[in-house]
Amino acid sequence: GAGVSQSPSNKVTEKGKDVELRCDPISGHTALYWYRQSLGQGLEFLIYFQGNSAPDKSGLPSDRFSAERTGGSVSTLTIQRTQQEDSAVYLCASSLEYARGYTFGSGTRLTVV
Amino acid sequence: GENVEQHPSTLSVQEGDSAVIKCTYSDSASNYFPWYKQELGKRPQLIIDIRSNVGEKKDQRIAVTLNKTAKHFSLHITETQPEDSAVYFCAASKSNFGNEKLTFGTGTRLTIIP
Repeated sequence: GAGVSQSPSNKVTEKGKDVELRCDPISGHTALYWYRQSLGQGLEFLIYFQGNSAPDKSGLPSDRFSAERTGGSVSTLTIQRTQQEDSAVYLCASSLEYARGYTFGSGTRLTVV
Repeated sequence: GENVEQHPSTLSVQEGDSAVIKCTYSDSASNYFPWYKQELGKRPQLIIDIRSNVGEKKDQRIAVTLNKTAKHFSLHITETQPEDSAVYFCAASKSNFGNEKLTFGTGTRLTIIP
């Protein structure tokens, strides 16, 4: 596609429910990243996929968070048993293997009530 | 791991004046330093980047400087305009091509006063 696509754009969920966030990277981009941005805060690294290599999961805040990337393209970030502190904008980005910087998606605004 | 500090957190500048945002990083192995601009309600967008083999890079009204010895880098915006109002993030990574994870600063909210 022309850009990084994320869905849904907004998600309101009840505390304790599971949510799935989807990211479609730019076609041909081998690297895919998930970041989290809390209100008025910076961007917190969550997880990074590069080609067929094992993902770098070092930023996932707890075992309630997981992500997968199928076929080297679409990625899904899953948050189980959501908590209010999970409320944030979840940003996905992708890049070519040897490109400068990332292209970000518009994000998914998650609100846990 | 890498730690990036950014200051100031907020900056107000008269239109036409210059703005400077500074960042420091902790990991001497970091070698790629991009800057992102995020307008209200929009996604972050890359505006300029610098690699460790150069000390300065310019693109029209925007410039970035890097001091590897001191482990700090700065964004300079000259002749500021209202459309420069946004949150600016610096970042650092160990990759020469910026395709490994970036560690971001906490952002600077720049307001240009007409």
